[in-house]
Amino acid sequence: RKEVEQDPGPFNVPEGATVAFNCTYSNSASQSFFWYRQDCRKEPKLLMSVYSSGNEDGRFTAQLNRASQYISLLIRDSKLSDSATYLCVVNADSWGKLQFGAGTQVVVTP
Amino acid sequence: DAGVTQSPTHLIKTRGQQVTLRCSPKSGHDTVSWYQQALGQGPQFIFQYYEEEERQRGNFPDRFSGHQFPNYSSELNVNALLLGDSALYLCASSLWPPKGETQYFGPGTRLLVL
Repeated sequence: RKEVEQDPGPFNVPEGATVAFNCTYSNSASQSFFWYRQDCRKEPKLLMSVYSSGNEDGRFTAQLNRASQYISLLIRDSKLSDSATYLCVVNADSWGKLQFGAGTQVVVTP
Repeated sequence: DAGVTQSPTHLIKTRGQQVTLRCSPKSGHDTVSWYQQALGQGPQFIFQYYEEEERQRGNFPDRFSGHQFPNYSSELNVNALLLGDSALYLCASSLWPPKGETQYFGPGTRLLVL
């Protein structure tokens, strides 16, 4: 079983719609969680950290469910520029060894 | 404020050769981590350097080695290249945990082994 698992998609989303997707992680002792965004052939860029109480950054909302060991990301009012691969990332031991999912591809269409 | 830089951007090698990739961390950062990203996969942790020592290592063979210099820049060396080493190699910089856990990635070096 992979340490971090994501639905690869693609999620095809009309512009202006809402899209949500999850990832699951296997290590119950994991300390911190992130969503990174990666554009085609580019480096991953931090989208947002994920906190236990859930957090929002503009049109993006992240949730963490420690009991079920999953993390979610919701994108509201999707823009064409939101088209990317979204990487779920877990820091299992707080010492910087990040574990990545394979990514969820989102395609926003006009 | 310069971000994380990596060189070269692209590299083509043949099986059995050796390669050295370079990374300069973001200004103010002291920790460098290296990741390998194969096509269609998420990045995989190779190792992490702080104070010129390897602090953590992922599940990679000894053919992968590294170094960190006093100015915090880092090198990744891969010996006896295999076709399967073809990937995007990403360098990430941060403050040494737990002072800072957010990692910022460089643009990567795309390595093709023929």
